[in-house]
Amino acid sequence: KQEVTQIPAALSVPEGENLVLNCSFTDSAIYNLQWFRQDPGKGLTSLLLIQSSQREQTSGRLNASLDKSSGRSTLYIAASQPGDSATYLCAVSTSGTYKYIFGTGTRLKVLA
Amino acid sequence: DAEITQSPRHKIIETGRQVTLACHQTWNHNNMFWYRQDLGHGLRLIHYSYGVHDTNKGEVSDGYSVSRSNTEDLPLTLESAASSQTSVYFCASSLLNRGPNEQFFGPGTRLTVL
Repeated sequence: KQEVTQIPAALSVPEGENLVLNCSFTDSAIYNLQWFRQDPGKGLTSLLLIQSSQREQTSGRLNASLDKSSGRSTLYIAASQPGDSATYLCAVSTSGTYKYIFGTGTRLKVLA
Repeated sequence: DAEITQSPRHKIIETGRQVTLACHQTWNHNNMFWYRQDLGHGLRLIHYSYGVHDTNKGEVSDGYSVSRSNTEDLPLTLESAASSQTSVYFCASSLLNRGPNEQFFGPGTRLTVL
């Protein structure tokens, strides 16, 4: 059974710092991995999607990497801003299904 | 613009009552999903559908049902609501193909069962 873990559960950093959020999964037979952002009381916004054949994806200040063999993905946020404060969730879909299994998220606070 | 909507956004009901949460998407996506989000548990899959007349149970399906009569809608019904079903419910959709399978989420419904 696929399990997804995100560490740390919460993170507080000063503005301008580069930071890395971690996601690990137990079954390497994934179809893809998706990173989401969730603001308090809101829905999930898709940030980046990495297909199993890819190693990384970039969007603006965000870069997500995928290492299937070790069961890990990282989300790198460059030059963090207070507006980046949110909960970041990763989710993996397993080969053969379109279902996603979610981690419990990392709650990020960027201090001005 | 194509989108995914949920209604109502907030609902309070009494234990034992039936309630249906609506989910409507205009992307013509084949796949639709219902999740619940609770502190300490993250998002957990309730039911999902890969197309019209197809429904499948997720990991926390007890006490919930869905039906898919068209591509756009996947309503979630709680037949006899329990306090343990107080949660935030999210609907999502994705396109059935061999491509990215990116999931898009609705804004959520906050359900309180008293």
